[in-house]
Amino acid sequence: SQQGEEDPQALSIQEGENATMNCSYKTSINNLQWYRQNSGRGLVHLILIRSNEREKHSGRLRVTLDTSKKSSSLLITASRAADTASYFCATDMRFGAGTRLTVKP
Amino acid sequence: DTEVTQTPKHLVMGMTNKKSLKCEQHMGHRAMYWYKQKAKKPPELMFVYSYEKLSINESVPSRFSPECPNSSLLNLHLHALQPEDSALYLCASSHIPGSSYNEQFFGPGTRLTVL
Repeated sequence: SQQGEEDPQALSIQEGENATMNCSYKTSINNLQWYRQNSGRGLVHLILIRSNEREKHSGRLRVTLDTSKKSSSLLITASRAADTASYFCATDMRFGAGTRLTVKP
Repeated sequence: DTEVTQTPKHLVMGMTNKKSLKCEQHMGHRAMYWYKQKAKKPPELMFVYSYEKLSINESVPSRFSPECPNSSLLNLHLHALQPEDSALYLCASSHIPGSSYNEQFFGPGTRLTVL
């Protein structure tokens, strides 16, 4: 079963803009992970944030974690058309519903 | 080698057929997973193997039978499937489940169609 929910379900932006996706989860966690999936293909791990961390960066990605609110956000800065994909958060091996991001050139 | 491989890439089978999906990793990971993903939905956890032993079965019907012959290989045996079982089947591996370092590495998936 899914661990939590993500919003928005779909997001469409122009190249160069920032994209923010949110994830909520239900139970206590060791860590939270974000993955990207291009259409109908395998998932690619983006970033892992541990429960004792509040923010983490990797390139154009910024992830925050608020364990008191059981929520996380993924920010992609200066988006590119190649960022078009579905993005999922995962906790305890289970995935949220995902956000479908479309970046228009 | 940081790759998880899955074979076949595509599989079409009838409801009376028996087939198997295969997954392999050579990263020394001791946890391996099967997920099922329907179109426009997130992956759903099916099975978890930890140190070659089945540790989690998410109430998956018995027509799906997992097998972990060794630490590098994971199979999913299929028998008497239904058309609603058509989906992308994803294999993944990780260092050890439940630790703070359990980034999962995913294979490209097997797209299964049941006629």
